[in-house]
Amino acid sequence: NAGVTQTPKFQVLKTGQSMTLQCAQDMNHNSMYWYRQDPGMGLRLIYYSASEGTTDKGEVPNGYNVSRLNKREFSLRLESAAPSQTSVYFCASSVGSRWQYFGPGTRLTVT
Amino acid sequence: AQKITQTQPGMFVQEKEAVTLDCTYDTSDPSYGLFWYKQPSSGEMIFLIYQGSYDQQNATEGRYSLNFQKARKSANLVISASQLGDSAMYFCAMREGGAGGYNKLIFGAGTRLAVHP
Repeated sequence: NAGVTQTPKFQVLKTGQSMTLQCAQDMNHNSMYWYRQDPGMGLRLIYYSASEGTTDKGEVPNGYNVSRLNKREFSLRLESAAPSQTSVYFCASSVGSRWQYFGPGTRLTVT
Repeated sequence: AQKITQTQPGMFVQEKEAVTLDCTYDTSDPSYGLFWYKQPSSGEMIFLIYQGSYDQQNATEGRYSLNFQKARKSANLVISASQLGDSAMYFCAMREGGAGGYNKLIFGAGTRLAVHP
């Protein structure tokens, strides 16, 4: 039982490049989320998927797209990376209202 | 408008003592949930404790307890018998609404706790 896994762990991009961050959970959770954490700050919600087949914007969705590939997987895509997207990205999943678990994070630097 | 406020950027405590980390929140929704997470220097987010707005009793999980004062809109985390491994960043977060099975969390800015031997 690996919980929430994310790949890659680290990534460096040049401005304008694209990439996809992958997330998978093996806990049979219905809901999945993408957050970003900037230095010295709490996490902010980018997108979420309340259930398989649905996705919705969070607080800071600009510059990102998501795909809920199936119940297990939820990917985050940066189409044209910008230095302002340098951050640590966390994927999370939840079941019900009380339990929310996070992946280990992806540290992304855009130069 | 900021929904979660953690007023203590940094705290320190002596090993084996108790410490309280403050969290106040703002919501007009009668149904909400409050979470505390620990983020050690390694960076992962570790779930500690949860309190629902309709829960009658304060939540407890081992050495962690949540001092929930609904009228004051505060949800302070109490760590008893601090250990060196408790040194980390601590985040308070809130879910507005009854969830409907999912949690869109709003996070505070965090409190960095240092435990001294």
